[in-house]
Amino acid sequence: ILNVEQSPQSLHVQEGDSTNFTCSFPSSNFYALHWYRWETAKSPEALFVMTLNGDEKKKGRISATLNTKEGYSYLYIKGSQPEDSATYLCAFGTGANNLFFGTGTRLTVIP
Amino acid sequence: GAVVSQHPSWVICKSGTSVKIECRSLDFQATTMFWYRQFPKQSLMLMATSNEGSKATYEQGVEKDKFLINHASLTLSTLTVTSAHPEDSSFYICSAHGLAGYEQYFGPGTRLTVT
Repeated sequence: ILNVEQSPQSLHVQEGDSTNFTCSFPSSNFYALHWYRWETAKSPEALFVMTLNGDEKKKGRISATLNTKEGYSYLYIKGSQPEDSATYLCAFGTGANNLFFGTGTRLTVIP
Repeated sequence: GAVVSQHPSWVICKSGTSVKIECRSLDFQATTMFWYRQFPKQSLMLMATSNEGSKATYEQGVEKDKFLINHASLTLSTLTVTSAHPEDSSFYICSAHGLAGYEQYFGPGTRLTVT
């Protein structure tokens, strides 16, 4: 079992604040790094898949960076909105089929 | 696109009975589906990889005779928890590979409670 750590475990921010979370993963056997957004009672929604060191991806107000050499990825949310409240999961892939998940960062955006 | 459904969303069963959970890819064909479970305050853990028309591959520590997986079509995989016990109570969630091969698209999960 590979160790994928996410921090912080939970986070409360005010509407309009920008925030970021961290995903740490092993720096060997890297294939891909995934970020998911998971709202209660819904399916985890794929946000980003990153495969190359230095990758940066952006979708609206959300962006992510990847450093495979040191084993971390950051997820940034600019100008948080209440609808951004969810658990954000990262998953480290050692192959097309093998995903190892962190326990997630639970974000609450206070209106 | 890439919608995965799962049924039921929650189920309560008595110890010793069996429960079947269905996972369907609604708008794409999934040759490979995955079954995960999540215990409270823990991460999603892969149980098995299911390939259409062949036997599933189970992760270490997952009993294949207890967790029966059938992937008979390109849009349906089922997980049957046989002779369920209270320690099998967990959140079970399936996913399917997208066409690009990197992504996994998830169902909404099934909360199983064994009394």
